Amino acid sequence: QQQVKQSPQSLIVQKGGISIINCAYENTAFDYFPWYQQFPGKGPALLIAIRPDVSEKKEGRFTISFNKSAKQFSLHIMDSQPGDSATYFCAASKSSSNTGKLIFGQGTTLQVKP
Amino acid sequence: DAGITQSPRHKVTETGTPVTLRCHQTENHRYMYWYRQDPGHGLRLIHYSYGVKDTDKGEVSDGYSVSRSKTEDFLLTLESATSSQTSVYFCAISPGTSGSQHLYEQYFGPGTRLTVT
Repeated sequence: QQQVKQSPQSLIVQKGGISIINCAYENTAFDYFPWYQQFPGKGPALLIAIRPDVSEKKEGRFTISFNKSAKQFSLHIMDSQPGDSATYFCAASKSSSNTGKLIFGQGTTLQVKP
Repeated sequence: DAGITQSPRHKVTETGTPVTLRCHQTENHRYMYWYRQDPGHGLRLIHYSYGVKDTDKGEVSDGYSVSRSKTEDFLLTLESATSSQTSVYFCAISPGTSGSQHLYEQYFGPGTRLTVT
């Protein structure tokens, strides 16, 4: 049972374009939604995160949009650069568990063409 | 990589042999996690620890055991390796404590690529 579904599996964007990655979750108890970025041969790194009390969070060129009623959230990368080429994972957790356990999506491989 | 190392970085082993992977941190964080990463599955939690000698299962714990005798070390053992355990294994640490939102900010090590033949 995949509790967090991520799409698309892969994405090719031209330099300067907008990259959009979507995630949907099932468990309404989830209340923390981070995104991780992973370069080849490296471990994932926390990129940005959001809680359901806000609909959008922006950090530089990276924005998370959150739709609580649809149980969906998405990552937007504005002005995409070749250096953004990586695999992106969304995740979800419920803070009430007090465990730090994260449920990850399947990942999206982004390629930004120069 | 946030003061976290994994060893070995690469290992090839035969089916049926025991394997132990080590995660070492220099951050003195209480919470540590073991994940496996497979194409099409993202990262899946195997086991986690919330203190010395305190561990619990994740979503894919069958065939794995863990131990944590010191704050800085978290060991993952495959008692009898199978080909289905061929994967990349990541350790993660969290600076948070119980009830803290920082508990969900995890920092990952560089990974161990394990091949079971």
